Amino acid sequence: DAGVTQSPTHLIKTRGQQVTLRCSPKSGHDTVSWYQQALGQGPQFIFQYYEEEERQRGNFPDRFSGHQFPNYSSELNVNALLLGDSALYLCASSLGGRAYGYTFGSGTRLTVV
Amino acid sequence: AQKVTQAQTEISVVEKEDVTLDCVYETRDTTYYLFWYKQPPSGELVFLIRRNSFDEQNEISGRYSWNFQKSTSSFNFTITASQVVDSAVYFCALIQGAQKLVFGQGTRLTINP
Repeated sequence: DAGVTQSPTHLIKTRGQQVTLRCSPKSGHDTVSWYQQALGQGPQFIFQYYEEEERQRGNFPDRFSGHQFPNYSSELNVNALLLGDSALYLCASSLGGRAYGYTFGSGTRLTVV
Repeated sequence: AQKVTQAQTEISVVEKEDVTLDCVYETRDTTYYLFWYKQPPSGELVFLIRRNSFDEQNEISGRYSWNFQKSTSSFNFTITASQVVDSAVYFCALIQGAQKLVFGQGTRLTINP
């Protein structure tokens, strides 16, 4: 039973570029949430996707956008990268649009130079 | 606003010592859930426990125990007879609106042999 899979594991981008991060949820899960974890900080909620729609959004600018596909996998896109976007991006999957029973992936480490 | 505070940034103990990680939370909701997660160097968040606001019973799972006190808005986590494998960053979190987790800053626990 595969857990949450995120790709790539590490990424280096230049300021101003765009990046796409990918997440495959745990088998049987239909909801994907994204979190940003800056170094030495706790994860911060970016947004949640359920039934291919963004259901709730945290305090992040419109440069952060996402998508959920019919197979429940999800992408996180960040445009016009800033140095401050350097962080570990965690994907969590769950069932039924809820945060209960989250399973987290190992994350994508994004470095913006 | 909901908030989780983990005042201990780092704790270092010698193996076999007992250690308690503190967590204080703020919420106006009467129904809420509290969580503890472990984050090893690999990056993924490992679920340890979930407790709802109506259940103040303490819980013990092997060497782990949790003390939930609504009167002081605290949900502390104790590891008994710590082991080197317990070394990790530990996060306390509060669920908000059933769709997102609000995390504390985390406590980095180092168990020295």
